[in-house]
Amino acid sequence: QVLLQQWGAGLLKPSETLSLTCAVYGGSFSSYYWSWIRQPPGKGLEWIGESNHSGSTSYNPSLKSRLSISVDTSKNQFSLKLSSVTAADTAVYYCVRLYCTVGSCYPDYWGQGTLVTVSS
Amino acid sequence: DIVMTQTPLSLSVTPGQPASISCKSSQSLVHTDGNTYLYWYLQRSGQPPQLLIYEVSNRFSGVPDRFSGSGSGTDFTLKISRVEAEDVGVYYCMQSIQLPYTFGQGTKLEIK
Repeated sequence: QVLLQQWGAGLLKPSETLSLTCAVYGGSFSSYYWSWIRQPPGKGLEWIGESNHSGSTSYNPSLKSRLSISVDTSKNQFSLKLSSVTAADTAVYYCVRLYCTVGSCYPDYWGQGTLVTVSS
Repeated sequence: DIVMTQTPLSLSVTPGQPASISCKSSQSLVHTDGNTYLYWYLQRSGQPPQLLIYEVSNRFSGVPDRFSGSGSGTDFTLKISRVEAEDVGVYYCMQSIQLPYTFGQGTKLEIK
């Protein structure tokens, strides 16, 4: 069974850096891509970015200038950092495993989500 | 970005009756490898989304066979043959043929 367990600060002030980490239990960490997806309260889903086990990343252009996704294969963990947050970054953040085929990837397992609120 | 448009945005269904959700993409989701990268997720209240259907019509592990997906190109449909109480939630379609992956707005299914 695959389990993604995530943690990080839930309350930030504007201009601070959002930092979340996700630990992966079960499955082969090196065989998948790892991603973050967020959901503002009462709204839809937005893909943030992804990384493979080697640290090769792809980011949503709308967030790219503030975003960093990294992996730690020794701990089977991956992390999200989003700098200079504003109220618009308030959302539930999900860590996600991506199952990749030759042509594409898709989320198959999700963490439980972390509500991050940005407020002064 | 590819825009995913779902209809209807809400649905109220009597248990045992069928339900259908449409998803249209602004560009074809057919890859040069011949596969079509369209997925369906269900998000129950307070829970993360869970994968129901991958690549248009393949049910994910453990998904009941009352769920089925169909479609091609830019037009796709999720069908529930007989709705049960546990099917309540918000359904999302998603494309992954092109980054950034994008989701539909969601369709809220309620039980009458």
